[in-house]
Amino acid sequence: GAVVSQHPSRVICKSGTSVKIECRSLDFQATTMFWYRQFPKKSLMLMATSNEGSKATYEQGVEKDKFLINHASLTLSTLTVTSAHPEDSSFYICSATLLAGTDTQYFGPGTRLTVL
Amino acid sequence: QKEVEQNSGPLSVPEGAIASLNCTYSDRGSQSFFWYRQYSGKSPELIMFIYSNGDKEDGRFTAQLNKASQYVSLLIRDSQPSDSATYLCAVSRSGGYRKVTFGTGTKLQVIP
Repeated sequence: GAVVSQHPSRVICKSGTSVKIECRSLDFQATTMFWYRQFPKKSLMLMATSNEGSKATYEQGVEKDKFLINHASLTLSTLTVTSAHPEDSSFYICSATLLAGTDTQYFGPGTRLTVL
Repeated sequence: QKEVEQNSGPLSVPEGAIASLNCTYSDRGSQSFFWYRQYSGKSPELIMFIYSNGDKEDGRFTAQLNKASQYVSLLIRDSQPSDSATYLCAVSRSGGYRKVTFGTGTKLQVIP
């Protein structure tokens, strides 16, 4: 149980384009989903907390207009990187917590974004 | 002071030995504690969680929590080369917000 999927697993795009990443909880309902990014050999950096039906809460220093998060249902959250630049190239990982569970976060497999 | 501190390592242990990974945290209000394993290029996977002081065992893994000392550890018995990964300690205050703070991780190398 507690399986989280992400799509796509890998994406290469040109600078200036937008990229949408989907995060789905496959076998449970998730009130809260989190979006992280991770640079090579660095630790996880929380970007935002996403609650179903409400606006995402962004961490300090994360541009909300650049990283658009939508959490339309209890099983789906999307992250859109708008006007991507090479410095946005990173490993983006989502996680989810169970609807009536603990704070345990279950991670998706991640999306590796490369912006040319 | 970082909220969650871990020694970055690498921690090298021979195959079959016990690996001991340590983590300290600064927020005394922390209630939930997690250990994740992350292989290079992959996302973290949950190993176990612990809420109460003492030991919690799951197979070859034992989590130990001491809230008075603000210390949590993970023991891996009979270490295998496949255990070589980065181990992330994570701490949460629990409650509605559900935000978890991660340490930077300890890299474990199990030498065959």
